[in-house]
Order: sequence, then C-alpha cells, then structure tokens
Amino acid sequence: AQSVSQHNHHVILSEAASLELGCNYSYGGTVNLFWYVQYPGQHLQLLLKYFSGDPLVKGIKGFEAEFIKSKFSFNLRKPSVQWSDTAEYFCAVHVLEYGNKLVFGAGTILRVKS
Amino acid sequence: GAGVSQSPRYKVAKRGQDVALRCDPISGHVSLFWYQQALGQGPEFLTYFQNEAQLDKSGLPSDRFFAERPEGSVSTLKIQRTQQEDSAVYLCASSFKRGRGYLSIGANVLTFGAGSRLTVL
Repeated sequence: AQSVSQHNHHVILSEAASLELGCNYSYGGTVNLFWYVQYPGQHLQLLLKYFSGDPLVKGIKGFEAEFIKSKFSFNLRKPSVQWSDTAEYFCAVHVLEYGNKLVFGAGTILRVKS
Repeated sequence: GAGVSQSPRYKVAKRGQDVALRCDPISGHVSLFWYQQALGQGPEFLTYFQNEAQLDKSGLPSDRFFAERPEGSVSTLKIQRTQQEDSAVYLCASSFKRGRGYLSIGANVLTFGAGSRLTVL
C-alpha cells in the first residue's frame, strides 16, 4: 500500500533558523507531490506542488521543496523561518495509476519561537 | 462561492445517532473529495466524485458511511449509527479538471474547506 512518512511530528525552531522537513513515500511509479500547510485556526492550503520538470520547486512564502526520485523523497525547506510560519505541514502524494486521491503523511507541527 | 463551505462546523452526536455533513464546493469545480482526519493524523481519503458520479469510494470505512452528490454540486456525507471511532474532522475538497491526459493532473490541486468536527459521545 502507498504510504507517506514524515520524519518529525514536532519541530521547534527559533526565528531565522533554517527549516527542513522530511517526507518519504513508498510508491515507485509516477507520482505528483504536494506540501499543504494548516495555520492555526485555518483550513489546509497548498504550499507547493511538483508534477514534472525541475525537481526543485518553489512555493509561497519562501518555501521550496526538492524531489529526489532515487530517494523517494520530497523534503520541504525554508532558509529562514518566521514566527508566522508556525503551522502544521502535510506532505501528500498522488499516484497517477491509483486514481485521483491524495495520500497524506501524518503531519509535522512546526513552532517558531520569536 | 469564494471557497469550499462545510456545515456544520461542529457536531456532537450520541453513539448510535445518524449525522449528515454538507459540503458546498467552489462553483464550477467538477471534482469533489471527502477526507477524514483523526486527531494527530493526516487526512485520509474517503470518497471522490466527478460531477454527480461517485468514481471512488474505496476509503469509506464501513457501510455506515454514505456520500452523495445528486446534482453534481453540493455533497452530503452521511454516517449512520455513529460510533466513537467516527470522531474526527471531515474535510471536503474540490478541484476543477482541465484538459485531458497529463493536464488532468490539475484536478489534484485541491481547495479544502474548514472541515466539520464530529464528536461522538
């Protein structure tokens, strides 16, 4: 079965620290990859997505993610976090052969200390 | 509308009670999804509609769960004889499908609603 693993459930950083959130998936076929973010009290929002082409994708608010096919990974990065980045981050994978559903990881709660 | 609207936002049900959760997708969005998010977990797929057709219901956990979208817009998720393990946030998401083939993956850029939090006592 497809699965998506997010390595850290809780991350605490100080402002201006660099961020990297890990995401690995278990399926070896053609995939589309997503990061969603849920700010406190808000609904899930798309942060960035990878469909094809340049494996380094840039999203909103200075976030980027790199697709490394050989490692089945799609890690999220930000060079310098802000207090407003405090949120829960979800990695999600869509496998083209399995229809239209997304498979989500369990999420990583990021708290940025000001 | 401007976003995906879900109601009620909060529902408390006694075990054994039936509940109905409503989703109003973005106008013109063809695809509609229901996800279940238990506490501390990521969303898990329940079912998918393309217009009024329910194309995938593989994620529905039991025959107590039923979803419909009779006119291809508003959708209702119904849970019969609720159990405590049904307590979760139920998320609705919609997307528009553009093009064919490779471009159809655009259908997976989902816009989520705020969710309906169900607590079964």
